[in-house]
Amino acid sequence: QITLKESGPTLVKPTQTLTLTCTFSGFSLNTNGMGVGWIRQSPGKALECLALIFWNDDKRYWPSLSTRLTITKDTSKNQVVLTMTNMDPVDTGTYFCAHMIGGAARQPFDYWGQGILVTVSS
Amino acid sequence: EIVLTQSPDTLSLSPGDRATLSCRASQSVSSSFLAWYQQKPGQAPRLVIYATSSRATGIPDRFSGSGSGTDFTLSINRLEPEDFAVYYCLQYDRSPRTFGQGTKVEI
Repeated sequence: QITLKESGPTLVKPTQTLTLTCTFSGFSLNTNGMGVGWIRQSPGKALECLALIFWNDDKRYWPSLSTRLTITKDTSKNQVVLTMTNMDPVDTGTYFCAHMIGGAARQPFDYWGQGILVTVSS
Repeated sequence: EIVLTQSPDTLSLSPGDRATLSCRASQSVSSSFLAWYQQKPGQAPRLVIYATSSRATGIPDRFSGSGSGTDFTLSINRLEPEDFAVYYCLQYDRSPRTFGQGTKVEI
């Protein structure tokens, strides 16, 4: 059974760096094809796929945010960490992590965490 | 990036009706890599359809998907009260993966 859970601060100040952790179980990021993505849902905006990381350490970022995002994995802890620098109130939203499969037989996000609501405010 | 445009924004229907939701892509998307999600308030999106027409685990057969190229459709036969939600399409053909803006199916 695959489960994921997001953790991190729920309130950050403008210009600060946000660090979110996704802790998962039921699969390993050492396994061929496995991946984890971070998806944001802001009020009034569509879902945005912020960053993806795959078993082979391939990383993909949302183009307009790529200079602010870093995604890393710790396979020994079954965790994926997302950092986003220079936070702004427009970055307020719910951040989800989700399991996926990459490569030629890629699959959509099939298992999701519950999400964490992050508010950016001074 | 591939832009997905969903229509309509809102669909007002009654239980027992049929819902037809559209997702149009700005570039051709392989039918192997188009999915649909259902989201209810306060919940994460739930995978409904993947590879255009394959139902995810536990999804009833009143949900069906079709389409190819740039035009894709999610159909829901005989709407049940639990089907009223927001539906999103997702393309995972090319990076970055992109979602449509959503269609709300309301009573």
